[in-house]
Amino acid sequence: DTGVSQNPRHKITKRGQNVTFRCDPISEHNRLYWYRQTLGQGPEFLTYFQNEAQLEKSRLLSDRFSAERPKGSFSTLEIQRTEQGDSAMYLCASSPDRSSGNTIYFGEGSWLTVV
Amino acid sequence: AQTVTQSQPEMSVQEAETVTLSCTYDTSENNYYLFWYKQPPSRQMILVIRQEAYKQQNATENRFSVNFQKAAKSFSLKISDSQLGDTAMYFCAFMKHVRTGNQFYFGTGTSLTVIP
Repeated sequence: DTGVSQNPRHKITKRGQNVTFRCDPISEHNRLYWYRQTLGQGPEFLTYFQNEAQLEKSRLLSDRFSAERPKGSFSTLEIQRTEQGDSAMYLCASSPDRSSGNTIYFGEGSWLTVV
Repeated sequence: AQTVTQSQPEMSVQEAETVTLSCTYDTSENNYYLFWYKQPPSRQMILVIRQEAYKQQNATENRFSVNFQKAAKSFSLKISDSQLGDTAMYFCAFMKHVRTGNQFYFGTGTSLTVIP
């Protein structure tokens, strides 16, 4: 098991363009989370999936953001019409249904720079 | 609402010495979990240690231990015999169960530098 995998690791895009990030969770982890982290801040919750169902969405997730997990395995996070304020690291995390201690496991993150 | 506060943005410690990172949180929940995560520069966040709120005994994990004071809503991390590889951002996190799963809240982090 290679852990939570995210790609691309870095993305530079022009304002107004669309970007998509992919997350492959640890195999057999039913729960998948997306977080956003800016410099000097801790991760902020964006959304959460249990299998293919998106069960929670933060108010941070504007209508330009959409996340999917179509088959309950990998997930994508798409940002449409990017703005400079979207520049951040987007972290994916996963956990099994009954994780010992309810720990979540993070990927290395996808850095987005909007210019 | 849950909040997690880390009041020390930066700290440094000499190699082999001991350092304590502070964390306080605010919640009306009685059952929850607390975590310390480590994020080395340009690397992924990894779990350092966790504590169940219903356990009075402080968690320990090798050189890492916590001082959990439930009444004071305090959860500090002690790193003994600091090593250069401990240099990283450290995030305190609070987790509670909700109907649809678990919700995590993170502090703003403490940047720890271990000085050789």
